[in-house]
Amino acid sequence: SAVISQKPSRDICQRGTSLTIQCQVDSQVTMMFWYRQQPGQSLTLIATANQGSEATYESGFVIDKFPISRPNLTFSTLTVSNMSPEDSSIYLCSVQKTANIQETQYFGPGTRLLVL
Amino acid sequence: AQSVTQLGSHVSVSEGALVLLRCNYSSSVPPYLFWYVQYPNQGLQLLLKYTSAATLVKGINGFEAEFKKSETSFHLTKPSAHMSDAAEYFCAVTRDDGGSQGNLIFGKGTKLSVKP
Repeated sequence: SAVISQKPSRDICQRGTSLTIQCQVDSQVTMMFWYRQQPGQSLTLIATANQGSEATYESGFVIDKFPISRPNLTFSTLTVSNMSPEDSSIYLCSVQKTANIQETQYFGPGTRLLVL
Repeated sequence: AQSVTQLGSHVSVSEGALVLLRCNYSSSVPPYLFWYVQYPNQGLQLLLKYTSAATLVKGINGFEAEFKKSETSFHLTKPSAHMSDAAEYFCAVTRDDGGSQGNLIFGKGTKLSVKP
């Protein structure tokens, strides 16, 4: 298994500002993912972050809006830039130890973001 | 497009009653399927997963799920509900489009309420 922590756990931000969310894992992992869970909806993958390469973004998400860093095998950050109320959501970090498709994905506790 | 359908956004059962949460999926390749549980203000926790071994999968907390290829279903059951089972449950399937390894598609979730 993997133990994942996220900071901050929640925040209230003003529109137009940016927030950086940190994800820390207790062991080295190959793959890290960032998901968004909007109120009353399911999880949507924002991007996949592998160490040593640029993040891969899903359709509808762009690097300028959601820049991601992955400096090592235990840490990643997601920045939500130029925020608007539509960005109010739970942001979840997820990890997978290897690239094996059968491997379990483990999730962090999430960051609850409210944009006013 | 590939999808996961969870029938019933809310399910309510009495304590001690059978829990049945339905999940149907679409996939053009043999799927890997997962059930996650999310307790209030927490991240997702893996309940169980199907990775092409036994079709009846046993998970934590007394839950189990049966993979039925002919019905493209992966319903989650528990013989006797406990108050602590109240949570939101998500069904997920691995993507079949050759996208990021380990990329999951989630259903919209089912909120389970347990009445005393």
